[in-house]
Amino acid sequence: RKEVEQDPGPFNVPEGATVAFNCTYSNSASQSFFWYRQDCRKEPKLLMSVYSSGNEDGRFTAQLNRASQYISLLIRDSKLSDSATYLCVVNTRSNDYKLSFGAGTTVTVRA
Amino acid sequence: DVKVTQSSRYLVKRTGEKVFLECVQDMDHENMFWYRQDPGLGLRLIYFSYDVKMKEKGDIPEGYSVSREKKERFSLILESASTNQTSMYLCASSFPTSGISTDTQYFGPGTRLTVL
Repeated sequence: RKEVEQDPGPFNVPEGATVAFNCTYSNSASQSFFWYRQDCRKEPKLLMSVYSSGNEDGRFTAQLNRASQYISLLIRDSKLSDSATYLCVVNTRSNDYKLSFGAGTTVTVRA
Repeated sequence: DVKVTQSSRYLVKRTGEKVFLECVQDMDHENMFWYRQDPGLGLRLIYFSYDVKMKEKGDIPEGYSVSREKKERFSLILESASTNQTSMYLCASSFPTSGISTDTQYFGPGTRLTVL
């Protein structure tokens, strides 16, 4: 079983729509959670960390559900520039700098 | 701004060739990582290093080796390239925050390697 699993999508949404997707992780002892964004033919970049209480960064909201072992990302008022692949990233071991990456969820925002 | 550079964006090699992929970061980061990214599989960790001359195997080290002679440079070596090593190779670096675990990894632009 993969450590981090994501629905690959694609999620095709019109501008202005809200889109949300989850990822699940297998290790209940996982400590840290992130969403990275990867544009086509570019490198991944940190979008936001995910905190236990949930957190927002502008139009982006991340949630963590430890009981069900999933994290979610919600994008409000989608922009064309939000088109990208969103990678779910988990630190599955404490005292360790290694990260486990999901395969990504592709979002395409259309005009 | 953190900058991670990789020696080539595109590389084409033949089966059996020795291949060197170079990665340099300019932020004095201690941690450096090599991943490969394949469709549907995501990023998989090949090797990582937390200090000069230190290296540890990641999840898929077979067929690869690394070298870290200087803090800013982390090299990935394919001793004898094979067609199943055709992939996108991504280097990343990070600076350990105080305490344990969490930190942001900064990626280079990637090297798309094709082995014929």
